[in-house]
Amino acid sequence: AQKVTQAQTEISVVEKEDVTLDCVYETRDTTYYLFWYKQPPSGELVFLIRRNSFDEQNEISGRYSWNFQKSTSSFNFTITASQVVDSAVYFCALSELQTGGGADGLTFGKGTHLIIQP
Amino acid sequence: DSGVTQTPKHLITATGQRVTLRCSPRSGDLSVYWYQQSLDQGLQFLIHYYNGEERAKGNILERFSAQQFPDLHSELNLSSLELGDSALYFCASGLAGRPQETQYFGPGTRLLVL
Repeated sequence: AQKVTQAQTEISVVEKEDVTLDCVYETRDTTYYLFWYKQPPSGELVFLIRRNSFDEQNEISGRYSWNFQKSTSSFNFTITASQVVDSAVYFCALSELQTGGGADGLTFGKGTHLIIQP
Repeated sequence: DSGVTQTPKHLITATGQRVTLRCSPRSGDLSVYWYQQSLDQGLQFLIHYYNGEERAKGNILERFSAQQFPDLHSELNLSSLELGDSALYFCASGLAGRPQETQYFGPGTRLLVL
């Protein structure tokens, strides 16, 4: 069965520091999809990025970057020059291909609570 | 704003009662997923509907059921409520129910069972 591990329960850094959130996944499939979501204090889940298992290119979006490494089954998320508004819980999630091609739903990690102190 | 709507935002009820949570997907999306977020279990997938038909079941209790209507809105019914059912319930919508699609989440319904 698939599994997502976010070993860091809580991380606290001072504003402007860089911070990396770790995500390790387990799957038996060769085709799968990885996601990151952000849950700010207001509670909604905000989509950040989606990555296919066959695309190992790293991605950068502004201060956010993602490092996908199949060899270590990791999909880590780095925030550069963190800001107080980045304070939230961040979830990594995995989606696999069903035999019939449909979706089972996302398997989420437990989340990492990121606290950015001013 | 994801374009997914959920009502009500908050719900307080008593043990043994039954409640209905409602979700409207984004315009054009055919799939609705339901998730439960609790402190002890984290975010768990409950059930997936695509164009009115059940597609997949996750960790959904037998006391819970869902359906998706012809206008594509979905309802999650929770019955014989227990204290442990207190949680944040999210629905998410996707275009065609494929695993590679992004799921866009609604704001959630916070359920408190007293």
